[in-house]
Amino acid sequence: DVKVTQSSRYLVKRTGEKVFLECVQDMDHENMFWYRQDPGLGLRLIYFSYDVKMKEKGDIPEGYSVSREKKERFSLILESASTNQTSMYLCASSVAGGSNEQFFGPGTRLTVL
Amino acid sequence: SQKIEQNSEALNIQEGKTATLTCNYTNYSPAYLQWYRQDPGRGPVFLLLIRENEKEKRKERLKVTFDTTLKQSLFHITASQPADSATYLCARDSNYQLIWGAGTKLIIKP
Repeated sequence: DVKVTQSSRYLVKRTGEKVFLECVQDMDHENMFWYRQDPGLGLRLIYFSYDVKMKEKGDIPEGYSVSREKKERFSLILESASTNQTSMYLCASSVAGGSNEQFFGPGTRLTVL
Repeated sequence: SQKIEQNSEALNIQEGKTATLTCNYTNYSPAYLQWYRQDPGRGPVFLLLIRENEKEKRKERLKVTFDTTLKQSLFHITASQPADSATYLCARDSNYQLIWGAGTKLIIKP
């Protein structure tokens, strides 16, 4: 079974802090994605990566950066957390190609105070 | 821009009945649509994919249809059970990414 793990289920940070969210997948998937999910808005893509050291901006990249130094790991960084970044963050992975299903981690509920 | 629209109101269905959820898309027809299930506090789980040239796809008690004229996909759960209660998400392809609907919450009452 594909397993996608995220470093924390719940996280509370203060405004201005630097926040790291880690995601690891164990199925050798080429593609990895970071989404945020807010009530009524659905999943919104922040960044994705289709290969090691490659990254592409999604729909809402402002205030975020990413790092993919190894194929299995994709990190999301909030350089200076703000209250409007309070959200559920979901990581996903998939094999190369456009139509393949995405496998999701359990999510990280981030609260910025 | 491309959008996916799902009914934001919760759908209440009596156990044993068929639940039907709707997914509408805008602009050009996607090459495929995907359906996922999401339980509270968890990530979405893939259920079915239907391609543009497929009218219907089935998997056990699940059935998905794709109508390019109506720009719509319907997701059916037959013989519904309380364990089917969850939020169901629809997504369309867009430049090797997915565009997601906000999901419809399904509640199956015993």
